[in-house]
Amino acid sequence: EPEVTQTPSHQVTQMGQEVILRCVPISNHLYFYWYRQILGQKVEFLVSFYNNEISEKSEIFDDQFSVERPDGSNFTLKIRSTKLEDSAMYFCASSGQGAHYGYTFGSGTRLTVV
Amino acid sequence: KQEVTQIPAALSVPEGENLVLNCSFTDSAIYNLQWFRQDPGKGLTSLLLIQSSQREQTSGRLNASLDKSSGRSTLYIAASQPGDSATYLCAVRTYSGGYQKVTFGTGTKLQVIP
Repeated sequence: EPEVTQTPSHQVTQMGQEVILRCVPISNHLYFYWYRQILGQKVEFLVSFYNNEISEKSEIFDDQFSVERPDGSNFTLKIRSTKLEDSAMYFCASSGQGAHYGYTFGSGTRLTVV
Repeated sequence: KQEVTQIPAALSVPEGENLVLNCSFTDSAIYNLQWFRQDPGKGLTSLLLIQSSQREQTSGRLNASLDKSSGRSTLYIAASQPGDSATYLCAVRTYSGGYQKVTFGTGTKLQVIP
């Protein structure tokens, strides 16, 4: 069964550093998403991406965040200057078009900002 | 703004019991609804997807129902097993103006006691 792949599985970074989280969505999917989950809290929507542009973003997704689909297969989330409160599990997801498509999530990247 | 609530927040049952998890949402104009399972520190595994035109879906010991008009979905787990212990999340997908968004519920943490 097709999978969404995320790398790395765990990243530790110093406050103020830039990080790039990588995702390879399912190849025939059209919609791509990033979600995050702070430890012990609910899964929160960050951003959705369709047709090579951001289609929606939450209030969490401020100017420190950006997404890119640089080569037609990878989908990246960049955090420009990490803060302690950015520590969380970041999930990438993709879906096809149509109500019969659900979301397929990757296994996540645990980001720890120290 | 779509809000998704799950009741109960936590549930502990003896092995073999049948149980029902509840999910309610405020905006009934949904595209589909998906139930996920999350093991501690892990990603999200899709269990069942119900399209807005459907009323229920079944997979093995799991049965999910959807009542759009009342803004409710239930996940029924038959003959529970210790391996069912996890957090169960419902996610409601809306589709408006070409944009899609998924809102997650607060989750139900299930413990099945051997």
